[in-house]
Amino acid sequence: GENVEQHPSTLSVQEGDSAVIKCTYSDSASNYFPWYKQELGKRPQLIIDIRSNVGEKKDQRIAVTLNKTAKHFSLHITETQPEDSAVYFCAASIPEYGNKLVFGAGTILRVKS
Amino acid sequence: NAGVTQTPKFRILKIGQSMTLQCAQDMNHNYMYWYRQDPGMGLKLIYYSVGAGITDKGEVPNGYNVSRSTTEDFPLRLELAAPSQTSVYFCASSPTGPGEQYFGPGTRLTVT
Repeated sequence: GENVEQHPSTLSVQEGDSAVIKCTYSDSASNYFPWYKQELGKRPQLIIDIRSNVGEKKDQRIAVTLNKTAKHFSLHITETQPEDSAVYFCAASIPEYGNKLVFGAGTILRVKS
Repeated sequence: NAGVTQTPKFRILKIGQSMTLQCAQDMNHNYMYWYRQDPGMGLKLIYYSVGAGITDKGEVPNGYNVSRSTTEDFPLRLELAAPSQTSVYFCASSPTGPGEQYFGPGTRLTVT
């Protein structure tokens, strides 16, 4: 079945710097790749997603890139702010019955001011 | 719209007890999911449903059961609770097709 690996597990950056989180997936048939942000004690919330027919997508300070050949995708956050501190999860959608998501283990991002 | 709602928010169970976690959504989504999130870990799929009357197992279904009698509700049943089921449980829903899953606020369950 699908396996999603996420790196790094923790990431500390200075306010204003960029942060990059990387994920790899195993099932070449996966066609939808969301990124969720989870603040302490809260529910996961979608921040950006990309579909397999697109190589890059940007939304203000957040961007996601997808390399289908290498089966990896990355989250880029520019001009980081303290409120970006949270746990970030990548996921890959299994395009069969139910469009199930397989999640990575998460990255704890700390933005130091 | 209330979105996805879950009850209770917190619960403490003794080993061997049973309980039902409630989940409801008012977005008319066909797809619904139950996840568990252990401390410092990612989300693992327990069960999912693609419509009323249709359910299927996810990655970690043992010790759980679900039903889907209506589009809105997707309860998760724990039988004979064990300490290994201590976790935060999230319910989610999505429209048909690959796309955003909307999560409920979660239920924090402790089994002692």
